[in-house]
Amino acid sequence: GAVVSQHPSRVICKSGTSVKIECRSLDFQATTMFWYRQFPKQSLMLMATSNEGSKATYEQGVEKDKFLINHASLTLSTLTVTSAHPEDSSFYICSAREEADRGYHNEQFFGPGTRLTVL
Amino acid sequence: KNEVEQSPQNLTAQEGEFITINCSYSVGISALHWLQQHPGGGIVSLFMLSSGKKKHGRLIATINIQEKHSSLHITASHPRDSAVYICAVKDSNYQLIWGAGTKLIIKP
Repeated sequence: GAVVSQHPSRVICKSGTSVKIECRSLDFQATTMFWYRQFPKQSLMLMATSNEGSKATYEQGVEKDKFLINHASLTLSTLTVTSAHPEDSSFYICSAREEADRGYHNEQFFGPGTRLTVL
Repeated sequence: KNEVEQSPQNLTAQEGEFITINCSYSVGISALHWLQQHPGGGIVSLFMLSSGKKKHGRLIATINIQEKHSSLHITASHPRDSAVYICAVKDSNYQLIWGAGTKLIIKP
């Protein structure tokens, strides 16, 4: 399968600062990328879907001014948590989907996740 | 009622036992994923299937479209199989709907 990387894997920041998380597809072009959030012992929650070159589509209840998503290239999407607060502490996971059919049949590939702790 | 239901929520077994995790869904789907999440949080896609059965090593996944049910089986379970196993279905809009996960612990 294809590989998706995330950076950083772990970040600790002070309340009020902004944190940027990168998601890269390493060996394919991802026209669509997804950002998920996972609270402890809970399932993943889709935050937003981004298509390269266009604005992200946010799920209901997700503040788009707080969670800025940029999908400027076919291999990179970034999630910026602005003015982070302790309640933003969570595990953030991205996934990427290649639209072209190389046999992956629109399968999603997941990044390893980023654990954000806001003090 | 959740659109994707997994059972059991928690499962503890002895090394070597045959493991079955079930997933039932109530929506029309284009595909179903089985994923594994380790304690560190990273997610690995195990299978994506839309019909029949797939096998990879000691893992077997089956799906019955008519009954809207899928199972993940692990043969000869090992402590390193301990993880959370997640079922997710892809609906007609290609959006993933997630199950709550099954926490599996295999004791040596």
